[in-house]
Amino acid sequence: GEDVEQSLFLSVREGDSSVINCTYTDSSSTYLYWYKQEPGAGLQLLTYIFSNMDMKQDQRLTVLLNKKDKHLSLRIADTQTGDSAIYFCAETSNDYKLSFGAGTTVTVRA
Amino acid sequence: DTGVSQDPRHKITKRGQNVTFRCDPISEHNRLYWYRQTLGQGPEFLTYFQNEAQLEKSRLLSDRFSAERPKGSFSTLEIQRTEQGDSAMYLCASSLLYTETQYFGPGTRLLVL
Repeated sequence: GEDVEQSLFLSVREGDSSVINCTYTDSSSTYLYWYKQEPGAGLQLLTYIFSNMDMKQDQRLTVLLNKKDKHLSLRIADTQTGDSAIYFCAETSNDYKLSFGAGTTVTVRA
Repeated sequence: DTGVSQDPRHKITKRGQNVTFRCDPISEHNRLYWYRQTLGQGPEFLTYFQNEAQLEKSRLLSDRFSAERPKGSFSTLEIQRTEQGDSAMYLCASSLLYTETQYFGPGTRLLVL
């Protein structure tokens, strides 16, 4: 099966950049995603990248993909307190089943 | 349209009881997905529908679980004879056919006592 791994925790100072890392094993992954989950809530799609791209930028978010190393990262510029949440990396090699990592809990401190 | 909705948001039940959850997808979304998320883990795929057809079921979906989408719109997930291990967040998502993005609902949190 597919494995997606993430570091469990990240603490960052307000205003700094956050970088969340993810590795995956499925070399046939076509799309890779970042979702955000706030306490007691569902998942909010933040951004995604197609596997033939190596970078995607969307306002404060920058996604980097190293397909050779199967490494995905999410950079959040100017991190705010509202960015405190759990961030999930996910991938799919078909068009219906997402495989998720365990999530990275990001804590933003003042 | 306000997105994917799920009902109830919370459910507490006793072991051995049956429970049913409902998901209303985004209008015109052909595909509907069910995932389960346990504490400290990411969501795990359970099953999905394309219109009213259930096209794949994960091995996580034991015989006690059944999902339906009779008219290709809303879906229900029923768990019979609940066990404590069924305690989890049950998430529903929907998407248009052959698109890469799934949109999730707020989830139904189940606690089996």
